[in-house]
Amino acid sequence: EIVLTQSPATLSLSPGESATLSCRANQSVVIYLAWFQQKPGQAPRLLIYDASNRATGIPDRFSGSGSGTDFTLTISSLEPEDFAVYYCQQRKHWPLTFGGGTKVEIK
Amino acid sequence: EVQLLESGGGLVQPGQSLRLSCVASGFTFSSDTMNWVRQVPGKGLEWVSAIIGSAIVGSPAETFYADSVKGRFTVSRDNARNTLWLQMKSLRVEDTALYYCARGRTGTNGLLDYWGQGTLVTVSP
Repeated sequence: EIVLTQSPATLSLSPGESATLSCRANQSVVIYLAWFQQKPGQAPRLLIYDASNRATGIPDRFSGSGSGTDFTLTISSLEPEDFAVYYCQQRKHWPLTFGGGTKVEIK
Repeated sequence: EVQLLESGGGLVQPGQSLRLSCVASGFTFSSDTMNWVRQVPGKGLEWVSAIIGSAIVGSPAETFYADSVKGRFTVSRDNARNTLWLQMKSLRVEDTALYYCARGRTGTNGLLDYWGQGTLVTVSP
């Protein structure tokens, strides 16, 4: 199965700062990578699909890039509501797999 | 509006069975791949199972499973009732988790664009 490794595990930042989250796959997933945001007590919410496409209703401060094995989620200027856990997920091969998550916390 | 509503979770003992349901609305259920994803409280997400959508009445739907549940869990669907199920047998303590159903966007299999709120399964002696 495809293993996704996210880094860092925790990111401590202040509102207004930029966040850069990484997701690395152990084999190519081409562009078939998504990013999700999850807040406590809520279901995951799709942010980015196919590496760089924002899902419906997602603000443009969220952007995704990458292909093959290395992907990045960037949040250009953190808003208070952006502090959450972020997961990457690949759909190139069954089984679908998720990364371990990056927690973006308030510094 | 797409809605997914899970039910059927509860407290069971190891070795017992449980069946989860997910009722869908707001989209053409029969055409879309449906998935189960679970999450141990405070931990990460783990994909569990998927059943491919098909517009061909009577044709069996292809299914996929995580190795951790293969042979114990069975996913099925009733397109006439817009319902997805997960039959779980021989439950283990490590199956304890919040179970989400999630839609695979039309035309894809694993682009999980809508999620339910989850149903909690607790397996404890």
